[in-house]
Amino acid sequence: GQQLNQSPQSMFIQEGEDVSMNCTSSSIFNTWLWYKQDPGEGPVLLIALYKAGELTSNGRLTAQFGITRKDSFLNISASIPSDVGIYFCAGYETDSWGKLQFGAGTQVVVTP
Amino acid sequence: NAGVTQTPKFRILKIGQSMTLQCTQDMNHNYMYWYRQDPGMGLKLIYYSVGAGITDKGEVPNGYNVSRSTTEDFPLRLELAAPSQTSVYFCATGQGNEQFFGPGTRLTVL
Repeated sequence: GQQLNQSPQSMFIQEGEDVSMNCTSSSIFNTWLWYKQDPGEGPVLLIALYKAGELTSNGRLTAQFGITRKDSFLNISASIPSDVGIYFCAGYETDSWGKLQFGAGTQVVVTP
Repeated sequence: NAGVTQTPKFRILKIGQSMTLQCTQDMNHNYMYWYRQDPGMGLKLIYYSVGAGITDKGEVPNGYNVSRSTTEDFPLRLELAAPSQTSVYFCATGQGNEQFFGPGTRLTVL
């Protein structure tokens, strides 16, 4: 099936730095979702995007729905230790309701 | 309001055994989903349901069965456990495009 390409696979950053990650697909998506997963827990929804070009913030997190509708970006500003975790992009292809597709995740490690 | 609850949290099965993973939600959502997550991978959809009495296959349904007799419950059944089914299983609910996940069940098949 369709694969979402999420990059980078992992990031080691210092506290206070900004983090950027992105997700691309080969087909058009009508919804992009960004989740964070802590060890031993289920993914938690951070941001949902519904329109091409949409830019949405949730605290220090900002995500964008790409203009081409084939990509999305997540930025974390001024990282703190609790930002550690795995961030997943997910989305729905057009006419593929109910079948949410996930990227492989970006592991973020924040060092003091 | 517990959201999505899953039981058990952990389970070890022998090859060929069967078990049911339980999922219950109190969010009154029509849509429910089962995913599996293998190490270093994203989640893959096993089965989903758009309402009581309606289920459909996802990307990786082989070896699993589901039922949806009520809005609240969506159990996942493994009939003949195989080592390839070792994974972490997540149940989710949704209304509209957003999905909300339970804490997961870690299953090992030896």
